Formats: sequence, C-alpha cells, structure tokens
Amino acid sequence: ILNVEQSPQSLHVQEGDSTNFTCSFPSSNFYALHWYRWETAKSPEALFVMTLNGDEKKKGRISATLNTKEGYSYLYIKGSQPEDSATYLCAFIYGGATNKLIFGTGTLLAVQP
Amino acid sequence: DAGVIQSPRHEVTEMGQEVTLRCKPISGHDYLFWYRQTMMRGLELLIYFNNNVPIDDSGMPEDRFSAKMPNASFSTLKIQPSEPRDSAVYFCASSRTKGTGELFFGEGSRLTVL
Repeated sequence: ILNVEQSPQSLHVQEGDSTNFTCSFPSSNFYALHWYRWETAKSPEALFVMTLNGDEKKKGRISATLNTKEGYSYLYIKGSQPEDSATYLCAFIYGGATNKLIFGTGTLLAVQP
Repeated sequence: DAGVIQSPRHEVTEMGQEVTLRCKPISGHDYLFWYRQTMMRGLELLIYFNNNVPIDDSGMPEDRFSAKMPNASFSTLKIQPSEPRDSAVYFCASSRTKGTGELFFGEGSRLTVL
C-alpha cells in the first residue's frame, strides 16, 4: 500500500516566524509530487508540481524542495503571515499503470497575529 | 474561466435515497477526478476519467457508488441507496495533462445522509 506521510499534523506559529513541513513518500518508481494549499471553506489550490530530484520551486514567501532518492519533500514558509493559515497537502504520483494522485492528510498551519 | 463547477453545494437526504452529484470540468481538461473528504481518511480518490473513459475506479467504496462521464463537459457521481456513513464532502477536480498537471478542484458537494 502506497502511503504519503506529512508532519507535523498541525503547527501554531507567530506572525513573522519561518516554518517548514515534511512530506514523505515511497522513493521507488517516483513520477511527480504536488503541493496544495487548502483554506477553510474553500477548495485545494495547487502551489507546486515537482518532478525532478533536486527540484526547488518558489512562489513568493513559499518554497519547496524535492528529494526523490530518499522520498521526501520540504515546504518552507518565510515570515509567516495570518493569511498563510491553511492546510498544506502534498500528493504523490508513482509511475506505473495508474495515474492516481495519493494525498497525505496534510499539515494544518495556524499563524497568530 | 469559470473553473470546475459542482452541484449541489449541499445535500441533506435520508438513508436509502438516491443521491446524484454533478461536475462540469474546466473546458479543455482531459482528466476528471472524484475525491471524497472525511475526517478519518482525508482526501480519497474514488475514480478518475481520461477523455471520458473511466481509468481507475478501485477507490469506489462499493456497488452503491457509480460514476459516469457521458461527455467531456459533464460527470455524475451517484450513490444508491445512500447510507449515513456516506456523509462527506465530495470534490471533483480536473487537469489538463497526465501526472505533472496540477488539479483544479471544484468547491465540493457536502452530503449529509440522515
């Protein structure tokens, strides 16, 4: 059974703090790794799609790295703001007959003003 | 672009009733996915289509669930008969390309089965 693990499950930080979360996935037969941001009462929105080992992507204060050999990705938020409060989901696709996007259960980030 | 459109947004029904959820993907997207969100399991993939053809329905819980995509602009997820344990938020998503294509999600249909 393919499993995507995210840690921590939740995180409370103060405005201005920098933070990071981890997504772990099976390292064999990797195809792609997605990061999504999911605000309460809304639907998930894509942040990054990463495919190559060593990939680093950045969007404003948010960045992500990918290590396919060891099976992990980090998401970093620099100088957290209250509007960054959301659940951050990673999703994994492995190469093979299926095109399933397997989601982790997410990291819930709360940024206190 | 209007985005992925789902209906109804909320549905409350009684056990045993038939439920039909609807989805209109983004025009030009050739993949369509149905997900279910629950507290216990997070986002679970139920089924996905490519060019209107079901590719993988192994996530469909049981025979009470069925999904169709009669054309490129419309899909339905049907539950018959519905049970209280089916209560969840059902999301539809579409994407343009296989694998690396990001998913665009609808706003979800919140189903409550009494």
